[in-house]
Amino acid sequence: NAGVTQTPKFQVLKTGQSMTLQCAQDMNHEYMSWYRQDPGMGLRLIHYSVGAGITDQGEVPNGYNVSRSTTEDFPLRLLSAAPSQTSVYFCASSGRTTGANVLTFGAGSRLTVL
Amino acid sequence: EDKVVQSPLSLVVHEGDTVTLNCSYEVTNFRSLLWYKQEKKAPTFLFMLTSSGIEKKSGRLSSILDKKELFSILNITATQTGDSAVYLCAVWRGGGSARQLTFGSGTQLTVLP
Repeated sequence: NAGVTQTPKFQVLKTGQSMTLQCAQDMNHEYMSWYRQDPGMGLRLIHYSVGAGITDQGEVPNGYNVSRSTTEDFPLRLLSAAPSQTSVYFCASSGRTTGANVLTFGAGSRLTVL
Repeated sequence: EDKVVQSPLSLVVHEGDTVTLNCSYEVTNFRSLLWYKQEKKAPTFLFMLTSSGIEKKSGRLSSILDKKELFSILNITATQTGDSAVYLCAVWRGGGSARQLTFGSGTQLTVLP
């Protein structure tokens, strides 16, 4: 049981480039979300999804795009990378049976934008 | 605006010490408070508290919630170097989306041998 799998683990981009962070879960969880973690700021919600085909914005959505075509996958797209998007990104999932509030996190993706 | 404040921001202790980490909150429609431990990588779930005064315990870790004073503490007794991590507190407002969860900025605990 892999849980939540994120790729890549590390990425360096130049300003203006685009990329996609991949996230997949094999727990049949309904809820998936993306967070960014910056020093001293805790985890901030970027986008989330309550099921396939349904997504919504979190606290810091600007510059990011998501889609949820299947229950398992929830990719995060950076449209035109900026240095302010240098951060560690975590994907998380949770389910109705285990509790929507009890998140299982992926291992994180460290992104540097030059 | 909902707030979750953790203190101290960082703490350095020696093996065998007991530590207390604090989490205070101002959240509308409080439903539960959660503690996570974050070592090098992903945060992992420790406890969920919903009722005042009921201690949750797992080995050397324990936590309690005070809904009247709006805070929770996480105690770790007989600390070990493996307890070194960032401890995150989060408060849940209910409902079925991640938007209902607010995280604090964490306490960095370092346990020296």
